[in-house]
Amino acid sequence: GQNIDQPTEMTATEGAIVQINCTYQTSGFNGLFWYQQHAGEAPTFLSYNVLDGLEEKGRFSSFLSRSKGYSYLLLKELQMKDSASYLCAVRFSGGYQKVTFGTGTKLQVIP
Amino acid sequence: GAVVSQHPSRVICKSGTSVKIECRSLDFQATTMFWYRQFPKKSLMLMATSNEGSKATYEQGVEKDKFLINHASLTLSTLTVTSAHPEDSSFYICSATSAVKGADTQYFGPGTRLTVL
Repeated sequence: GQNIDQPTEMTATEGAIVQINCTYQTSGFNGLFWYQQHAGEAPTFLSYNVLDGLEEKGRFSSFLSRSKGYSYLLLKELQMKDSASYLCAVRFSGGYQKVTFGTGTKLQVIP
Repeated sequence: GAVVSQHPSRVICKSGTSVKIECRSLDFQATTMFWYRQFPKKSLMLMATSNEGSKATYEQGVEKDKFLINHASLTLSTLTVTSAHPEDSSFYICSATSAVKGADTQYFGPGTRLTVL
């Protein structure tokens, strides 16, 4: 299987930092994506990791450990507009660049 | 750049009718397009992968005769839900990748909400 696990829901305070974790089965791993999805809208691309380490992009950073089958998305200086679902998606080797999405983590930012 | 559009954004139809959803890449040529469906509060489920000029590759459990996919050009793919039933009501989202823009990233359309009465 290609189980991708994320927490279902998280709540964090405006201005704070939150870390959203994602674990996956390592066999055939070929890249990991994070997407943001607001309710009723399509996902928007946040980050892509294929090598171990931290990728920083403004307030958002994404980390990958291939040996552990683990990634996290780090959101700093949280804003109310960051309230959304965050989807972890993994590409496994096998063609067509298709990815498998996790169930998503619904983040609620509170004042 | 990397804009993907879908039409219609919302459709309501009667049971037994067919509905066509269009997915267009507006500023790039999409070598591969994907079709997903998403149920409320659930993640995206890949239905099929479509490459221009060839037959779509369907995921296990997806009926190819019910969900017809045509990728006639490098900027257009269509999904036709044939003989729609209430259980087909869902949010359908397409995405596109481009060998030029970097085949790693999928760019998503805004989605089509289908309601079958």
